[in-house]
Amino acid sequence: DAGVIQSPRHEVTEMGQEVTLRCKPISGHNSLFWYRQTMMRGLELLIYFNNNVPIDDSGMPEDRFSAKMPNASFSTLKIQPSEPRDSAVYFCASFELAGDTQYFGPGTRLTVL
Amino acid sequence: SQKIEQNSEALNIQEGKTATLTCNYTNYSPAYLQWYRQDPGRGPVFLLLIRENEKEKRKERLKVTFDTTLKQSLFHITASQPADSATYLCAWTDSNYQLIWGAGTKLIIKP
Repeated sequence: DAGVIQSPRHEVTEMGQEVTLRCKPISGHNSLFWYRQTMMRGLELLIYFNNNVPIDDSGMPEDRFSAKMPNASFSTLKIQPSEPRDSAVYFCASFELAGDTQYFGPGTRLTVL
Repeated sequence: SQKIEQNSEALNIQEGKTATLTCNYTNYSPAYLQWYRQDPGRGPVFLLLIRENEKEKRKERLKVTFDTTLKQSLFHITASQPADSATYLCAWTDSNYQLIWGAGTKLIIKP
């Protein structure tokens, strides 16, 4: 298994631009999490999907952030418009409800200038 | 509010010694907790899980303890090696399988 796949690995954009981050979870995993990690705030949960349905999006900072999971093998996190304070590493993690642990992707390092 | 605390100071340990990392929680009663390792530029990787009814869990050179009275988990690496240098994160799992993360402790093993 290739593990959780994220793309792009690095994204540099200018303030105001739209950014789309992509994630392919491990096949067979029922749940998917989007996290953001910064030095100041550590690892923060943004949103959690279970069987493609958003369960908890209370961690999404504001309306500029949106996430979708159209099917069991793909999810996107969109920021529109992006701001410099959105600069962080964004991780996707998948989870099998029958198991206990989350499997993280390599992350996307986002820099908003 | 729920809070997870890990020592934010880097921990420097001499190679061969036992490294012990601490994770404390407040205002929370976790079902179980997990320890992850994170290397620079990579996502966290799962190491060990311990449930509230377990006192100790081992995996090779790793050992985790769980003290519900002290509201604390300890993570031990015996016979530490420079390759063990990384940031170690603890996370408590609630009933919805969401993880509440500590800030992580950076461990440096000196040869």
